[in-house]
Amino acid sequence: SAVISQKPSRDICQRGTSLTIQCQVDSQVTMMFWYRQQPGQSLTLIATANQGSEATYESGFVIDKFPISRPNLTFSTLTVSNMSPEDSSIYLCSVPPGTSGYNEQFFGPGTRLTVL
Amino acid sequence: AQKITQTQPGMFVQEKEAVTLDCTYDTSDPSYGLFWYKQPSSGEMIFLIYQGSYDQQNATEGRYSLNFQKARKSANLVISASQLGDSAMYFCAMREVWGKLIFGQGTELSVKP
Repeated sequence: SAVISQKPSRDICQRGTSLTIQCQVDSQVTMMFWYRQQPGQSLTLIATANQGSEATYESGFVIDKFPISRPNLTFSTLTVSNMSPEDSSIYLCSVPPGTSGYNEQFFGPGTRLTVL
Repeated sequence: AQKITQTQPGMFVQEKEAVTLDCTYDTSDPSYGLFWYKQPSSGEMIFLIYQGSYDQQNATEGRYSLNFQKARKSANLVISASQLGDSAMYFCAMREVWGKLIFGQGTELSVKP
């Protein structure tokens, strides 16, 4: 099973600033996924990060607000730009199953963001 | 459109008893996967169990079992012998496209001593 780490685990930020969240996987994966969970809500997919190409964003999410980098097969960053209190959420990265585990899909521990 | 529905916002169960958390789904794709995750107050998503659309038998993982009724498009999670540590949010999710999960609204389970 993949081991996924995220940094920071939590942060409190001022509105108008930006925060970059890092996701590190202990094995090479072709795709990485970024999810958002607003308070009291379910998880929503923000975008799919592919190595060597631009990220694919879901409806309602745009690159200017959530730029994503994918410099190699084990690492990705998600930036939350020009933050407002509505961006207060848990942000989670996820990777699809590898060859050893088709039946499992893992998430990182999440980044809990509070915007004041 | 793909959709996952969890109709129980909150559930209570007595310690050591079994509980069933409901999940229905809608998809036109014949190939899909169904997941259950546990989310404690820390926020991490803990994978519990998986059921593939072509699996003939219901999935089981320890105290967790998935009651898969394909014709009814339901994938209920059964937790046997509930423990206090089972208190958490539980999410049902469906995967159609590789890696992309669609989540239900979640059910908050409280286990009473």
